[in-house]
Amino acid sequence: QKEVEQNSGPLSVPEGAIASLNCTYSDRGSQSFFWYRQYSGKSPELIMSIYSNGDKEDGRFTAQLNKASQYVSLLIRDSQPSDSATYLCAVNLQGAQKLVFGQGTRLTINP
Amino acid sequence: NAGVTQTPKFQVLKTGQSMTLQCAQDMNHNSMYWYRQDPGMGLRLIYYSASEGTTDKGEVPNGYNVSRLNKREFSLRLESAAPSQTSVYFCASTPTAATYKQYFGPGTRLTVT
Repeated sequence: QKEVEQNSGPLSVPEGAIASLNCTYSDRGSQSFFWYRQYSGKSPELIMSIYSNGDKEDGRFTAQLNKASQYVSLLIRDSQPSDSATYLCAVNLQGAQKLVFGQGTRLTINP
Repeated sequence: NAGVTQTPKFQVLKTGQSMTLQCAQDMNHNSMYWYRQDPGMGLRLIYYSASEGTTDKGEVPNGYNVSRLNKREFSLRLESAAPSQTSVYFCASTPTAATYKQYFGPGTRLTVT
């Protein structure tokens, strides 16, 4: 089992709808969780971080964490074509001074 | 502030050639990282340096060496390039190893023929 897993997609969502991206992780002791957005040919940029169970909202983005089920998700409300990108989930494994990334989910928002 | 810079942006090597990828950050960060990204594979950690003077292997260190030259600079060396090392290489930095917002450089696209 991979340490961090995402559905690689592609995920296609109509403009204005909610895009839902999911990520599961294997290490129960993980404490820190991140979502990065990566446009084609560009470097990743951090869009959300979450550390405790529940929801964290930032504008149109909501990160959700469920440590008991070992999953973290990202919701994008009112999806825009500019949200089309690959979204990478990253997890800090317990005791490690590094992040482990999932393989990324390619999201396409259709006008 | 330039943030994290990487050179070169593009490179083509022949099998067996060597080269060094350079990375520098001007944010006074302690920790620096080298990743490679292949299609459908996400980012895989090659080596990292939690602080100046230390380096550690990541998930895919074979075929690579690193040097933390000073606090600002962290280089990645391919001693004998192989086609399997064709990839996009990203350098990243973070204030400390305990703060995980990583700032990425623009990447180096390397092709080994």
